[in-house]
Amino acid sequence: AQSVTQPDIHITVSEGASLELRCNYSYGATPYLFWYVQSPGQGLQLLLKYFSGDTLVQGIKGFEAEFKRSQSSFNLRKPSVHWSDAAEYFCAVGEGNMLTFGGGTRLMVKP
Amino acid sequence: EAQVTQNPRYLITVTGKKLTVTCSQNMNHEYMSWYRQDPGLGLRQIYYSMNVEVTDKGDVPEGYKVSRKEKRNFPLILESPSPNQTSLYFCASSPSGDHGYTFGSGTRLTVV
Repeated sequence: AQSVTQPDIHITVSEGASLELRCNYSYGATPYLFWYVQSPGQGLQLLLKYFSGDTLVQGIKGFEAEFKRSQSSFNLRKPSVHWSDAAEYFCAVGEGNMLTFGGGTRLMVKP
Repeated sequence: EAQVTQNPRYLITVTGKKLTVTCSQNMNHEYMSWYRQDPGLGLRQIYYSMNVEVTDKGDVPEGYKVSRKEKRNFPLILESPSPNQTSLYFCASSPSGDHGYTFGSGTRLTVV
């Protein structure tokens, strides 16, 4: 069965600093990989997705993620964080209609 | 506007009283799914549907029912709610599994 691990439950960064959120997955084949963001009281919004091809994927709001097969990782990055990026971030692995989420990483942004 | 609409947004009910949470999408998506979100556990899939009259269990289906009689609607039914079903529920839809899902705004359910 597929599984997703987000090792960091909470991360705090200063506004303007760079960000990397970690995601590791367990899956037998090349998975479909997603990053979602959840702002307080809101549903989940898709940031980016990876299916195949270029391992560096660009998403919305200035986010990008890199798929590394050898490390079974799909880390999310942003070069300069804005206060509005404070939210919870979820990595997910997809197979057909099954979507398995990690436990989430809550990002706090210091002024 | 393309969206997934869930109702109600908030619901407090008593143990054993049947309830239905509605979900509707206006994007003509084939796939629909229900998730529950609990602190520290992320989102877990309850049921999913790949088309009208086609549904299947996710990771945590116990205590829930669904139906897909029309493409746009995918209600979640709790026949006899219990306190351990207190959670935040999300409905989502997708044109196919590899497109990613569009999520509704959530339904916060409290069972006392």
